[in-house]
Amino acid sequence: EAGVAQSPRYKIIEKRQSVAFWCNPISGHATLYWYQQILGQGPKLLIQFQNNGVVDDSQLPKDRFSAERLKGVDSTLKIQPAKLEDSAVYLCASSSTGLLYEQYFGPGTRLTVT
Amino acid sequence: GEDVEQSLFLSVREGDSSVINCTYTDSSSTYLYWYKQEPGAGLQLLTYIFSNMDMKQDQRLTVLLNKKDKHLSLRIADTQTGDSAIYFCAEYAGANNLFFGTGTRLTVIP
Repeated sequence: EAGVAQSPRYKIIEKRQSVAFWCNPISGHATLYWYQQILGQGPKLLIQFQNNGVVDDSQLPKDRFSAERLKGVDSTLKIQPAKLEDSAVYLCASSSTGLLYEQYFGPGTRLTVT
Repeated sequence: GEDVEQSLFLSVREGDSSVINCTYTDSSSTYLYWYKQEPGAGLQLLTYIFSNMDMKQDQRLTVLLNKKDKHLSLRIADTQTGDSAIYFCAEYAGANNLFFGTGTRLTVIP
């Protein structure tokens, strides 16, 4: 079974630029999550999708971050404009509802904002 | 709100046992998890325990849960150099969501 795919793996941008990350979850997984992991901290949930609907985006800084999962499969997370404090690893995870709430994580995208 | 705390660093010698500790605050947590993160990689689920259990063993891993003290531990027997990683404790926070601790960096000395 293929795992959660993310791209790009690394991205370096200057502050005030825009950036987008892509995630393809495990086939058949209805729930998709985006996490932000700042160096030295645990992952923090940004947004959770159930199919193509948003379940929880309370931690998403909506003035600069946006995410979509239009067809209920893959998802993109965008930052516009980026700030220095957005430097982090952005992790995507997916889960199959009913399987003891297990989440499977992708390798992440490491973003550096200079 | 939820708060999950872990010590930041642990060093052990190869072949010894490692014990990584975690405390949490949400007494209504139904599941508690341990994840492993190797350098440059995403999180890998190691094991989990139901809140109505005291202990769970899975090969070299033993999870102990003390609900009264809200304390969770992960014991790794016969620790190997490949076990060097960051270990995250996480509690199920409802709505299919996990709340993570800050992670413990385990260093195994050959």
